[in-house]
Amino acid sequence: SYELTQPPSVSVSPGQTARITCSGDALPKQYAYWYQQRPGQAPVLVICKDSERPSGIPERFSGSSSGTTVTLTISGVQAEDEGDYYCQSADSSGTYVFGSGTKVTVL
Amino acid sequence: QVQLVQSGAEVKKPGSSVKVSCKASGGTFSTHAIHWVRQAPGQGLEWIGRIIPMFDISRYAQSFQGRLTITTDKSTSSAYMELTNLRSDDTAVYYCARYSEVTGHDYWGQGTLVTVSS
Repeated sequence: SYELTQPPSVSVSPGQTARITCSGDALPKQYAYWYQQRPGQAPVLVICKDSERPSGIPERFSGSSSGTTVTLTISGVQAEDEGDYYCQSADSSGTYVFGSGTKVTVL
Repeated sequence: QVQLVQSGAEVKKPGSSVKVSCKASGGTFSTHAIHWVRQAPGQGLEWIGRIIPMFDISRYAQSFQGRLTITTDKSTSSAYMELTNLRSDDTAVYYCARYSEVTGHDYWGQGTLVTVSS
């Protein structure tokens, strides 16, 4: 089955930049989406279609794509950015998949 | 403002079934797919299936084929997820979410905890 691979954890100091990667063979042909999830809460969409920021999401969140890897970048990390981040995409058969998740810790 | 409101927590015995509802308001129900995603305790997000209300076309993750049924009632703007032959490892929070390729999963329900225990 199709898989999206993310690092388990990323640690960053306040004000620095966090980068989270997500790798998958179908990513050159399928859009990726990123979600933030805080403990006990439903996920929140932070990036859609590889690099578009939904309304209401701070400008410090950005997305990029290169080949089989997409990257979520959080510039000027704030304490409130701590949480789990998931990438999501689809394979060519129309089955959707989430990455394993990356825990972002603000030091 | 779009809202998805799910039914309450359930406790079920192994081998039984559960049906979770997801009622949409504030938008046009038929224009977006409704996806179901679950999260086992301490684990990541798992996509389990989706339905396109306009055509009532559903698609399920392979590991749920034969046990999962997703339906809609357009008269009440509601979607339903029914999982049968429950096992202890089906214990999870089940979320519904509105989806389109343009917007991704842009609105989520509050989640429904399903506990499977003897």
